[in-house]
Amino acid sequence: GNSVTQMEGPVTLSEEAFLTINCTYTATGYPSLFWYVQYPGEGLQLLLKATKADDKGSNKGFEATYRKETTSFHLEKGSVQVSDSAVYFCALSDYGGGSEKLVFGKGTKLTVNP
Amino acid sequence: DTAVSQTPKYLVTQMGNDKSIKCEQNLGHDTMYWYKQDSKKFLKIMFSYNNKELIINETVPNRFSPKSPDKAHLNLHINSLELGDSAVYFCASSQGEGTNEKLFFGSGTQLSVL
Repeated sequence: GNSVTQMEGPVTLSEEAFLTINCTYTATGYPSLFWYVQYPGEGLQLLLKATKADDKGSNKGFEATYRKETTSFHLEKGSVQVSDSAVYFCALSDYGGGSEKLVFGKGTKLTVNP
Repeated sequence: DTAVSQTPKYLVTQMGNDKSIKCEQNLGHDTMYWYKQDSKKFLKIMFSYNNKELIINETVPNRFSPKSPDKAHLNLHINSLELGDSAVYFCASSQGEGTNEKLFFGSGTQLSVL
């Protein structure tokens, strides 16, 4: 089945620093790609997504571009804030056993210090 | 109003006990899910239901039995709890079955088996 690999955390940055969280995937076909974010004490929520090659997903200053040639979907933000501290999950769609499902990476914890 | 609510938030119990976690969504969604997040933040799907019918059943021990009395509820019953069941369990819902449907997560139930 399809799978994703995220960079190991934790990641600690100062406010206004540039953020990159790497995500690469292994898939047959052309899956949709997602970033979900989990703030402390909350459930995951969709941050952004891209459904085909070269699509760029963006939301709240975060961006990720679907790169088929490098099988990557790295998350970036130009200037992080303390409120961005959370766990970030890369995910992709997988089809198997007659059903579609999301497959998540292991999550990368980001801490932004003032 | 909370869109996806699950109870209890914390559950501490002894090995061998039977426990249930309840989930309700008020979004009118057709599809509901249970995910397990282990201590390393690895998030994995367990089950999904569409209109009260089971559509995804990953390799989960038979001790775990989901029950969907109606479209808005998906409860998780666990028999003979084991130490390895300790994790955070997330309920989620989406309008349809496809992975391009946005998932809405509950805030999680932290299960500790002693």
